Amino acid sequence: AQTVTQSQPEMSVQEAETVTLSCTYDTSENNYYLFWYKQPPSRQMILVIRQEAYKQQNATENRFSVNFQKAAKSFSLKISDSQLGDTAMYFCALSVDSNYQLIWGAGTKLIIKP
Amino acid sequence: GAGVSQSPSNKVTEKGKDVELRCDPISGHTALYWYRQRLGQGLEFLIYFQGNSAPDKSGLPSDRFSAERTGESVSTLTIQRTQQEDSAVYLCASSNPGLEDETQYFGPGTRLLVL
Repeated sequence: AQTVTQSQPEMSVQEAETVTLSCTYDTSENNYYLFWYKQPPSRQMILVIRQEAYKQQNATENRFSVNFQKAAKSFSLKISDSQLGDTAMYFCALSVDSNYQLIWGAGTKLIIKP
Repeated sequence: GAGVSQSPSNKVTEKGKDVELRCDPISGHTALYWYRQRLGQGLEFLIYFQGNSAPDKSGLPSDRFSAERTGESVSTLTIQRTQQEDSAVYLCASSNPGLEDETQYFGPGTRLLVL
């Protein structure tokens, strides 16, 4: 069975600071994908970044980057130069090749303070 | 359309009434998912449609819940005899499995309140 764990229920940082959200997962599959989704108060679930397990290079999307440690089964999200609009719930999710279902973490509430 | 759309955006109903929620996936996406999200919690899988295959209904919490999909387009999630515990946001997502991109793209959700 697959599991995803987010150990930080809530975090807050000052605007322009860098923040890292933690995610660990467990799977016995070799082929899988990892995702970070953002859900602002508007409740729209928005894809932030994705990582294919077979790629060693960490994914990057503008201010968002991941630290993918496959052996440690860790997939943290780093947000650089944080902005007020980054305030949201952040969910880590896992998808394995053999099963289309996304396995979700419990989420981390991120608050960016002005 | 450009993204996944859902309607209504909000629905208030009385306990015992039936409700129907609608999802329009991204054009060309063969897979469609329904999730439930209770207040302050993560997503709970409900049902999955892929092309003409039999849907995976393993996440439906009771026989009061059902869903249909017409071909590879619109899907409706029906909750019969609603209970207060059904109050939640119902999210729909679509994807195009088989390509390199396994990403699920979400709609804005329907917030259901059962009084």
